Order: sequence, then structure tokens, then C-alpha cells
Amino acid sequence: KQEVTQIPAALSVPEGENLVLNCSFTDSAIYNLQWFRQDPGKGLTSLLLIQSSQREQTSGRLNASLDKSSGRSTLYIAASQPGDSATYLCAVWNSGNTPLVFGKGTRLSVIA
Amino acid sequence: GAGVSQTPSNKVTEKGKYVELRCDPISGHTALYWYRQSLGQGPEFLIYFQGTGAADDSGLPNDRFFAVRPEGSVSTLKIQRTERGDSAVYLCASSKRRDSGELFFGEGSRLTVL
Repeated sequence: KQEVTQIPAALSVPEGENLVLNCSFTDSAIYNLQWFRQDPGKGLTSLLLIQSSQREQTSGRLNASLDKSSGRSTLYIAASQPGDSATYLCAVWNSGNTPLVFGKGTRLSVIA
Repeated sequence: GAGVSQTPSNKVTEKGKYVELRCDPISGHTALYWYRQSLGQGPEFLIYFQGTGAADDSGLPNDRFFAVRPEGSVSTLKIQRTERGDSAVYLCASSKRRDSGELFFGEGSRLTVL
């Protein structure tokens, strides 16, 4: 059974810092990995989708990497801003018909 | 529509009552998913539809939970004899097809069972 772990559970940084969020998964036979953002009381917003054949994806100040063999992904946020404060969730989709499996998320606070 | 729409956004009910939660996916998306999210946790899978049929309902916690998608678009999650432990945010997501990968989520329906 796939398990997804996100470390740290919470992170507080001053504005302008670069930061890295970590995601690990136990079954490396994944189809893709997706990073989401969730604001308090809101739904999930898709940030980046990395296919299993890809090593990284970039969108603006966000960069996500994938290392299937080690079962890890990182989300890099450059020049953090207070508006980046949210919970960031990592989810993996295994090959076959298994559903998207989520981690518990990392709650990020960027202090002005 | 422009995005996944869920109604109601909030529902408060009493223990033992019946509840229906509705999801309207993005137009043209054939795959639809229901997830449940408790406070401080990641979303947990409940059920997945491909078209009108439930392709995978392995995440439904018990037989009090049921979902339908009769015309392959709007879906309704039905919960009978609600219990306090059913309190959570119920999230719906859709994707173009099963293997397109990228899921788009609605804002969720927050259910509180008193």
C-alpha cells in the first residue's frame, strides 16, 4: 500500500527566503506526482504535475523535482512571499487503477 | 463550467439524519473523484467514477455511504444515518480521463454532524 510522507509538518520563514518542502513515498512504481496548495477552508489548487518519465517541472517561482528510484520529491519555492502562506500537499498516482494518495501536507507561514 | 462546483459549501445536520452532497465537474471531464479530508490530514480517497459507473469504490468506509453519477456528469454523495465521525470536508475532483493524471478540485462541502 502506497504511503506518502511530508516533512516538515509546519514551517515558518521570513519573507524573501528560498525554501524546500519534502515528500517521500514508499512505492516507487508511480504514474505521476502532483503538488497542490490549500488555503484555509478552501479546496486544493494544482501547482505542478510531474510525469514518471520527468525529473522536474517549473512554474514561476516554483520548481518540483522527482527522484523515483529513491521515492522522493521536493518543492522548491524561490523568494518566498507572505501570499505563499498555505498548506502544500503532495500526492502520487501509482500505475494501474489505484487512486491519488496524499500526504498530510506541510503548513507554510511566510512572515513579512 | 469554469471549475468544479460543490454544493452545499456547509452542511450542519443531526446524528442519524440523511445527507446529500453534490458535485458538478468541469465540462467534458469524464473522470470524477470523491475524497474526504479531516482536520490536519490529507484527503482520503472514497470513490472514483469513469463516466456513469463507479470504477473504484474501495475507499467508502461502510455501507452508509453511497454515490451516484447517473448521466456521467453531476455526482451526488449520499450518507445515511450520519454519525459524528462523518464530520469532515468532502472534496470532489475531476479530470479529463482516467490516465490524464491532473486532478482539479472543488472548494469542498464541510459537513458537521451534531
